[in-house]
Amino acid sequence: TQLLEQSPQFLSIQEGENLTVYCNSSSVFSSLQWYRQEPGEGPVLLVTVVTGGEVKKLKRLTFQFGDARKDSSLHITAAQPGDTGLYLCAGARSNTGKLIFGQGTTLQVKP
Amino acid sequence: DTGVSQDPRHKITKRGQNVTFRCDPISEHNRLYWYRQTLGQGPEFLTYFQNEAQLEKSRLLSDRFSAERPKGSFSTLEIQRTEQGDSAMYLCASSSSLLTGEQYFGPGTRLTVT
Repeated sequence: TQLLEQSPQFLSIQEGENLTVYCNSSSVFSSLQWYRQEPGEGPVLLVTVVTGGEVKKLKRLTFQFGDARKDSSLHITAAQPGDTGLYLCAGARSNTGKLIFGQGTTLQVKP
Repeated sequence: DTGVSQDPRHKITKRGQNVTFRCDPISEHNRLYWYRQTLGQGPEFLTYFQNEAQLEKSRLLSDRFSAERPKGSFSTLEIQRTEQGDSAMYLCASSSSLLTGEQYFGPGTRLTVT
């Protein structure tokens, strides 16, 4: 059972376009992380959101945590080829801290 | 470099052989996690330690898998009698905060079982 559904799974866009990736669950998480992963490497933490309704910005990336702490979104403005990679959302359980990952969104930004 | 390190980065082994991977977490982090990632999927939780105590193991962790963290610092993951289905990226992560759930990952060990 996939507890975190990410959509879309694949996205291929032109440089300069905007995009949004969604992460949805029926479960409540104590926090939610977004990671970016390059081929053959481990995931790199981008942001952590903890409070329902929280919005965080990291340069051209905007992250939002749903009010009920069940879903999240990642919006990229004016995408660049350097944004290409696998984006993963992960929800944390408060009692153990273990992460439940979505299946990932593969983003390709063409110059 | 004070990040999470893993060794080896790549391992090719024949079916039936035993393999052992090592993870060195960020030094002040008391929680250490192991995940497995197959191609096209997100990582899946295997097990985690708080200090030297192994507090949870996933059902994915068959009896051929064993993990240790003897002194609460580095950890090892051993797979006995490897099978082709064990081929995957094995990721280690460490954390100091249960509240935020932030985990920092190592570069992973890519295992190929032939």
